[in-house]
Amino acid sequence: DVKVTQSSRYLVKRTGEKVFLECVQDMDHENMFWYRQDPGLGLRLIYFSYDVKMKEKGDIPEGYSVSREKKERFSLILESASTNQTSMYLCASSPFSQRDQPQHFGDGTRLSIL
Amino acid sequence: AQKITQTQPGMFVQEKEAVTLDCTYDTSDPSYGLFWYKQPSSGEMIFLIYQGSYDQQNATEGRYSLNFQKARKSANLVISASQLGDSAMYFCAMRPYNQGGKLIFGQGTELSVKP
Repeated sequence: DVKVTQSSRYLVKRTGEKVFLECVQDMDHENMFWYRQDPGLGLRLIYFSYDVKMKEKGDIPEGYSVSREKKERFSLILESASTNQTSMYLCASSPFSQRDQPQHFGDGTRLSIL
Repeated sequence: AQKITQTQPGMFVQEKEAVTLDCTYDTSDPSYGLFWYKQPSSGEMIFLIYQGSYDQQNATEGRYSLNFQKARKSANLVISASQLGDSAMYFCAMRPYNQGGKLIFGQGTELSVKP
């Protein structure tokens, strides 16, 4: 089975801190994604990556950056955390060329910015 | 603009009955895939079922089936014989094939199964 592991289930940080959320997948997938989930809004795409060192902005990239130095690892960075970034963050991966294959998700990180 | 709409924020169903969760989508792309995910209160996203835009038959996976009406741009999820463990958030998502694998999600429907 595909395993997508997010480094923390719960995280509490302070306003202005630089925050790192880590995601690792073990299935050699090319695609990796970061979403945030808020009640009533569903999941919204922050950034995604097709390959090592490649990244593409999603729908809500402001205030975030990403890093993909190795194929299995995709990091989300909050450069200067703000209270409106309190949310559930979900990482996902999928193979590049198989259209019918679903994205596989990690368990999520519930991030609170105080 | 590409969009997924789930118009039912919350639904109740009696145990052992069938329930339909609505999903409509908007896209001008001819090729796309439609996915349904389940999210229990624990938070993980569980893939349920997939339908390709060129598939002739409606997808089925166990108690889950997808009522795909391409002309109406709808992809409703049908759960037969509901179980208490089906209580969860359900998300419909679309993958336009020309956009590299990303998913566009609806707002979700919270399903509660009553004993």
